[in-house]
Amino acid sequence: GQQVMQIPQYQHVQEGEDFTTYCNSSTTLSNIQWYKQRPGGHPVFLIQLVKSGEVKKQKRLTFQFGEAKKNSSLHITATQTTDVGTYFCAGHGNKLVFGAGTILRVKS
Amino acid sequence: DSGVTQTPKHLITATGQRVTLRCSPRSGDLSVYWYQQSLDQGLQFLIQYYNGEERAKGNILERFSAQQFPDLHSELNLSSLELGDSALYFCASSAPRQGPYNSPLHFGNGTRLTVT
Repeated sequence: GQQVMQIPQYQHVQEGEDFTTYCNSSTTLSNIQWYKQRPGGHPVFLIQLVKSGEVKKQKRLTFQFGEAKKNSSLHITATQTTDVGTYFCAGHGNKLVFGAGTILRVKS
Repeated sequence: DSGVTQTPKHLITATGQRVTLRCSPRSGDLSVYWYQQSLDQGLQFLIQYYNGEERAKGNILERFSAQQFPDLHSELNLSSLELGDSALYFCASSAPRQGPYNSPLHFGNGTRLTVT
């Protein structure tokens, strides 16, 4: 069945360093969504990518959707302590499947 | 505030017991999803309802059941509880799909279940 793999599982960075999390799907996706869950909170929708090769930016966050629509990445430039949390991708194939998430910790 | 309401916030119960978790979706959303999240783990999809009908099923145990009522609120019933069922249970809702865009999921604050 459809699977979405997300790496790394954890990332501990110094404040100001960059961060990237990657998602790979076993099947071609119609679109992919990204969510952020702050510690003790609930997942919150960040963005959706639909087109092959699409790149979207939200301030320091850059989201990419691969040409084959099977992979995606989220890159944060110059991390801040407010970026801590777990970042999930969720791929829509024939159903919505969440990746396992990447836990980001930022050392100040 | 996501507009999704889950009750109760916390639930402590003993093994073997049965509990019911309740979710009210955002106004206008027809889909309700249930997810289980254990400590520092990912989101395990349990089940989805759309306008009262079961739409998709994930790794939901036979001891668990759910339903969506005519007013679109949903309940997740967990029975014969085991220690391993202790987790955060999220409900999410979404609006109908529009074109190529799947509507985002809006999550409630979750119900933290502790089985002792």
